[in-house]
Amino acid sequence: EIVLTQSPGTLSLSPGERATLSCRASQSVTSDYLAWYQQKPGQAPRLLIYGVSSRATGIPDRFSGSGSGTDFTLTISRLEPEDFAIYYCQDYGSSYLTFGGGTNVEIK
Amino acid sequence: QVQLQESGPGLVKPSQTLSLTCTVSGDSISSGGYFWSWVRQHPGKGLEWIGYISYSGNTYYNPSLKSRVTMSVDTSKNQFSLKLNSVTAADTAVYYCARVVRGMDVWGQGTTVTVSS
Repeated sequence: EIVLTQSPGTLSLSPGERATLSCRASQSVTSDYLAWYQQKPGQAPRLLIYGVSSRATGIPDRFSGSGSGTDFTLTISRLEPEDFAIYYCQDYGSSYLTFGGGTNVEIK
Repeated sequence: QVQLQESGPGLVKPSQTLSLTCTVSGDSISSGGYFWSWVRQHPGKGLEWIGYISYSGNTYYNPSLKSRVTMSVDTSKNQFSLKLNSVTAADTAVYYCARVVRGMDVWGQGTTVTVSS
């Protein structure tokens, strides 16, 4: 079972700044089946990125994913006010759909 | 547009069985190519995958919950279900159902389940 470790736990930034979120896997993620989700308070998570770098339907291009093997990154090029939220990575390449612990992107 | 909706009791007594249903609209659960999953979130905490099921009934469960979890699918009603037995206060959470294809691309709104006597 893969363990996903996200860092930092909290990222304090201002609107317009660039956000870089990390997700590290305890072993290589199968076939790059790595996804990222955004969750706002009181809402269900929303799929942002699948297959490491493919944006889900309707996701703005300021969101991008990269990485391979065990190290993955979600980048938000310029933070908009609606981007302040918690972000989770997920391995969906094995039989167990593990989530990382999350990164809270908060307004500085 | 595919939509998922969770339903079930919001309050369950300790030691009893938590039962939830997810109704799928806008697509057939039997159309294939998807798995149907349950995820929960304890108050103020992160996401915990519970398990998933294929339309044909193949299941995969989180090892930490496997002994207490049963999932099933009812293609005639376009629904899938979760049963979690022997619940304790630690099972109090928001429970989400989701469709799995390339990641979890469609989610229900979530339903809060409280375990209390």
